[in-house]
Amino acid sequence: QSALTQPPSASGSPGQSVTISCTGTSSDVGGYNYVSWYQQHPGKAPKLMIYEVSKRPSGVPDRFSGSKSGNTASLTVSGLQAEDEADYYCSSYAGSNNLTPWVFGGGTKLTVL
Amino acid sequence: EVQLVESGGGLVQPGGSLRLSCSASGFTFSSYAMHWVRQAPGKGLEYVSAISSNGGSTYYADSVKGRFTISRDNSKNTLYLQMSSLRAEDTAVYYCVKDSRRYAFDIWGQGTMVTVSS
Repeated sequence: QSALTQPPSASGSPGQSVTISCTGTSSDVGGYNYVSWYQQHPGKAPKLMIYEVSKRPSGVPDRFSGSKSGNTASLTVSGLQAEDEADYYCSSYAGSNNLTPWVFGGGTKLTVL
Repeated sequence: EVQLVESGGGLVQPGGSLRLSCSASGFTFSSYAMHWVRQAPGKGLEYVSAISSNGGSTYYADSVKGRFTISRDNSKNTLYLQMSSLRAEDTAVYYCVKDSRRYAFDIWGQGTMVTVSS
């Protein structure tokens, strides 16, 4: 069982928006503004899409946005495009004193209908 | 171009050993902490191990503690993962990952497959 909880699947039609949630605890998501999101296409390595809750690395489209409220972080993909179909994983820093300083969610498969 | 290239994966029997390598290029390797993250077939990501930029500090997930050893050679821009007493549940793609210094993993290698089976 993953430390962070994500819905196993999400879907939307091209042009629509979809939001994926990531629920943790006050020891990880709620305790630090260090949530990151990764996109993984089949057979490929994960790619960083969002870091520090809402910041986008250079080259990531602004259609991707992140937010956090309490122990739950969210990734929103606006203006869905076919190439957004992929698995998405959240991750959170959980502190150096924690048994596991980094935790991942179980992943969400995003389908573009 | 920033790049990480893993090697050393393969088929190994339960109880066996394997050493993974990760060759880094395109950035100052010695300035960054590095990580190993694995993904079992059809499953999600699992954090495995980390090492500080100078190699002085290491971390291991409970699932691999005492069996895996992370190390680095900054003169060769190479990260290692020595795996011993391998179990079937260690079967996974192992990714070498660069720390972004922003509490995220910004560069991932292509991964190397480790299969533990008799």
